[in-house]
Amino acid sequence: TQLLEQSPQFLSIQEGENLTVYCNSSSVFSSLQWYRQEPGEGPVLLVTVVTGGEVKKLKRLTFQFGDARKDSSLHITAAQPGDTGLYLCAAMGSGTYKYIFGTGTRLKVLA
Amino acid sequence: NAGVTQTPKFQVLKTGQSMTLQCAQDMNHNSMYWYRQDPGMGLRLIYYSASEGTTDKGEVPNGYNVSRLNKREFSLRLESAAPSQTSVYFCASSVSGGNQPQHFGDGTRLSIL
Repeated sequence: TQLLEQSPQFLSIQEGENLTVYCNSSSVFSSLQWYRQEPGEGPVLLVTVVTGGEVKKLKRLTFQFGDARKDSSLHITAAQPGDTGLYLCAAMGSGTYKYIFGTGTRLKVLA
Repeated sequence: NAGVTQTPKFQVLKTGQSMTLQCAQDMNHNSMYWYRQDPGMGLRLIYYSASEGTTDKGEVPNGYNVSRLNKREFSLRLESAAPSQTSVYFCASSVSGGNQPQHFGDGTRLSIL
């Protein structure tokens, strides 16, 4: 069974701080996605990373795909209260079109 | 642009009752998905439909049935609801193929007493 483990599970920080969220697996994936989910809504795609070692930036968010395509990280610089939410990584299982989701990191940024 | 629409938004059932959750998308996507989300467990795939007329089991299909009525609509049915099925249910759709973003509805919050 392919699993995606995220850490930390919860994170509460002050506005302006930096943070990193991790998504790890023992399996190799062809690509990996990051979603953000706000209360009462469905997840919304932030980014898809495809190539091992790839780095993508989305304003203050930096996403990296591990060289071996088994792990990924999300770094937020100078966090703002608007970054508060549940961050989920997801990957497509090998040989299927079914997505596997990580357990999620719940981030709270305090003003 | 509605995207993915789920109905109802909230529902309370008694154990043993049946119910169908509805999902419709207006993006002309071939693939549609049903997930459940429980605290600390992320999203778990219940059923998946690659195209109209096809369905496939996901990670947690027991106690559920699905129907891909047409390209737009994908329904999830609980034949005999159990308290363990209390959860938030999300429907999603995507273009077929790998690396494609999934577009989610806002969820149905289901409580089974």
